[in-house]
Amino acid sequence: KAGVTQTPRYLIKTRGQQVTLSCSPISGHRSVSWYQQTPGQGLQFLFEYFSETQRNKGNFPGRFSGRQFSNSRSEMNVSTLELGDSALYLCASSWTAGTGTYEQYFGPGTRLTVT
Amino acid sequence: SQQGEEDPQALSIQEGENATMNCSYKTSINNLQWYRQNSGRGLVHLILIRSNEREKHSGRLRVTLDTSKKSSSLLITASRAADTASYFCATKVQGAQKLVFGQGTRLTINP
Repeated sequence: KAGVTQTPRYLIKTRGQQVTLSCSPISGHRSVSWYQQTPGQGLQFLFEYFSETQRNKGNFPGRFSGRQFSNSRSEMNVSTLELGDSALYLCASSWTAGTGTYEQYFGPGTRLTVT
Repeated sequence: SQQGEEDPQALSIQEGENATMNCSYKTSINNLQWYRQNSGRGLVHLILIRSNEREKHSGRLRVTLDTSKKSSSLLITASRAADTASYFCATKVQGAQKLVFGQGTRLTINP
């Protein structure tokens, strides 16, 4: 089985721009979660989608949004970029629904640099 | 805010020695998971221990869980240079569809 893929792998944007990151989960996985990783704040949960519905959201401003398509692929969007948005954005997929183990399979991440 | 706190933040040992990392958390959990991250890459799932389990083994890994103390430890035996990475504990909080990660332990294995 192919793993979780994320595109692009690296991205450089300017303050004020917007960016869209893409994630393709492992085939059969219906849950996709997004995380932001920075040296200062560590790994922080952004949101989780399951069957095209956002089930959970972390404590991030409304500039961060996402969606999931019927094939479980997911995108996240960050509008009006700020320098502090520079981070590694990780996508993870899971096949577990409900109250399962929620073991996550991570993609390689997208390294976003905002200048 | 982070659910888990890991200790130590950094650990440097000689190849062949054992490495122990600890994780503490705050709320009731369904399970606790350990992940490894090589520099700047995605995380790899290592092992999962459920809240009703006390110890689990997988190869050179041994995980313990003490729910009364809200803590877990990861032991890597006979360490190798390839074990150099950051290790994170993550908790599946009861009633929440997400994992909450600790800050991680950076492990360096010296040849």
